[in-house]
Amino acid sequence: DIQMTQSPSTLSASVGDRVTITCRASQTIGRWLAWYQQKPGKAPKILIYDASNLQSGVPSRFSGGGSGAEFTLTISSLQPDDFATYYCQQSNGYLYTFGQGTKLEIK
Amino acid sequence: QLQLQESVPGLVKPSETLSLTCTVSGGFISSSDMYWGWIRQPPGKGLEWIGTINYSGITYYNPSLTSRVSMSVDTSKNQFSLRMASVTAADTAVYYCCRIRALRFFDYWGQGSLVTVSS
Repeated sequence: DIQMTQSPSTLSASVGDRVTITCRASQTIGRWLAWYQQKPGKAPKILIYDASNLQSGVPSRFSGGGSGAEFTLTISSLQPDDFATYYCQQSNGYLYTFGQGTKLEIK
Repeated sequence: QLQLQESVPGLVKPSETLSLTCTVSGGFISSSDMYWGWIRQPPGKGLEWIGTINYSGITYYNPSLTSRVSMSVDTSKNQFSLRMASVTAADTAVYYCCRIRALRFFDYWGQGSLVTVSS
């Protein structure tokens, strides 16, 4: 199984900050990496797919990068609505695994 | 707008079989390039993919669950279903049904429904 490790597990930041979350795969996965945002009591929402493609309707302050085994999610200027938990997800063949999540908190 | 809605029992006894159904509206489950799946999230924990199915019944399962799960599809009702046998307290979770685009990522999700395994 491919394991996904996110860092940090918790991130404290302020409105207007630029933040980056990292996701590392236990083996190379090309660009088959997606990012999700989840708020309490809600289903996850897709933000980024194929490492760097912004899902329709997602604000442009979100961006994704990386390939192979290391990926990043960057929020260029944090907005109040962005405080949530973020997950990465890999697709290898027909199997999927998620990172453990990064909780983005208000400083 | 595509919408997915889970139908779940809420409470299931240990050792019994859990049966879940997802109803798709605003689109057809029989689209040839679309796949459908189940994901769960134990309270306070992360996300775990359970399985995937397409309109013709091709399935893929999480290797850690494959001995206990099976999925089926009913195109006439625009529904797909999950059965999980021999449940324990560790199967207590919010269960989400999803659409899987290009077999790469989950772009539409149901609202999620909590299943509690308890006697």
